[in-house]
Amino acid sequence: AQKITQTQPGMFVQEKEAVTLDCTYDTSDPSYGLFWYKQPSSGEMIFLIYQGSYDQQNATEGRYSLNFQKARKSANLVISASQLGDSAMYFCAMREGYTGTASKLTFGTGTRLQVTL
Amino acid sequence: DTAVSQTPKYLVTQMGNDKSIKCEQNLGHDTMYWYKQDSKKFLKIMFSYNNKELIINETVPNRFSPKSPDKAHLNLHINSLELGDSAVYFCASSRERTSGSYEQYFGPGTRLTVT
Repeated sequence: AQKITQTQPGMFVQEKEAVTLDCTYDTSDPSYGLFWYKQPSSGEMIFLIYQGSYDQQNATEGRYSLNFQKARKSANLVISASQLGDSAMYFCAMREGYTGTASKLTFGTGTRLQVTL
Repeated sequence: DTAVSQTPKYLVTQMGNDKSIKCEQNLGHDTMYWYKQDSKKFLKIMFSYNNKELIINETVPNRFSPKSPDKAHLNLHINSLELGDSAVYFCASSRERTSGSYEQYFGPGTRLTVT
C-alpha cells in the first residue's frame, strides 16, 4: 500500500486565491512527522512546513498552513494568497518514528501547481 | 553560504563508465542521505548515513556505493553505469533530535544522464 498518496497530479489556481493540495498517509506508527516540500522548475527541493503526529495545533508558516486531520490520516497543504512564484511541484512526505537514526522520508508522487493571472 | 552542495550539477556519461557525485553540508548535521528522483519526479531514499555510519540501504544495486569520509561529506560512487541510472540524485542532511521537526535540507541535485 502507498504510504503517502497525493491524488491531484495537477492543480490550477488564480493569483491571490487560496489552494489546497491533498495528502493522505498510511502508518501504524503512533509517532511520525509530515512534511511538505516545494520543487520549482529550477529543481531544488525547498522545505515548507512540518507537522508532528503529537502536535495539537495545525502548523503554519507564513502563507502555508497544514490542515492536519489525524483520524482521517490527511495532511493537506493550504497556500493562501497564491503568487505566480508558487507555481511548482509540491511533495508531501512522511517520516515514521520520532527517535533513532533511521529517519528516511517517504514521498508522495507530487502535485504540480500552476498559478494563473 | 551554500548549506548542502553537490558536484557536479550535470553529469553526462556513457554506459559502463564509473562516476562519482560529491556532497558536502556546512550545517553541522549528523545525518546525510542520498535520494533518487526518476523521470516521473518520484523521489526515493537510497542511503542514509549517521556520523559516518551507514544506517539505511534501500535495496539499491551494489553498483552504487556511498562513502562518508566525515559527517560533513557523503559521496556516491556508481560503477558500470546503466541507462536506467539516468535520474536526478539529491543529497540531503538533517539533525537528529528526540522531538520536533526533522526537516531535511536538500542539495541542488545532480542530473545524471547515461547514454
